[in-house]
Amino acid sequence: GESVGLHLPTLSVQEGDNSIINCAYSNSASDYFIWYKQESGKGPQFIIDIRSNMDKRQGQRVTVLLNKTVKHLSLQIAATQPGDSAVYFCAETIPPQNFVFGPGTRLSVLP
Amino acid sequence: GAVVSQHPSRVICKSGTSVKIECRSLDFQATTMFWYRQFPKQSLMLMATSNEGSKATYEQGVEKDKFLINHASLTLSTLTVTSAHPEDSSFYICSASQPTDTQYFGPGTRLTVL
Repeated sequence: GESVGLHLPTLSVQEGDNSIINCAYSNSASDYFIWYKQESGKGPQFIIDIRSNMDKRQGQRVTVLLNKTVKHLSLQIAATQPGDSAVYFCAETIPPQNFVFGPGTRLSVLP
Repeated sequence: GAVVSQHPSRVICKSGTSVKIECRSLDFQATTMFWYRQFPKQSLMLMATSNEGSKATYEQGVEKDKFLINHASLTLSTLTVTSAHPEDSSFYICSASQPTDTQYFGPGTRLTVL
């Protein structure tokens, strides 16, 4: 596996609005995708996952969309709250066991 | 479920000493554990993949003699930073993988080498 060390893009949203965080993944053979949330000084926290045989999965206030045609993954957060402020990473699993992190997006929630 | 712990959470050491970081899966057996390093404002960089009972697989550019990894049981992996130097100061994070491929991460260890 490998991960990319890049400086993080930032998304700023107003509290109460919906957030959409995007991720372009690298390999068309990837069959499993995960979104993680990382708060400052903490390890990544699992949010939601989706397998390649699905194109949408919903959790509590979060929805993940998968577009395999363009290799695009998105995380939608409904009614964004201050506690959602964090860095969000997508990750893809390339069979048999390569796990690749995206560069991450910093979400800032404005009052 | 799927809780991963790390110990210590913070460590400060003198240059030239060795530091051991423990990673434990508390409520599941992890056949595979991963060690990452993270610099400020950057994504996680995979250092090595560790399978229980076998030698770790290191990523290109990671010195295996400097970063010793032991995965002695299905619930414990350790990372030892040997002869630490200031440039080794970083945030080290482990993860443990269930058979479903999901990686669950520990809270991280902040290492500061003086």
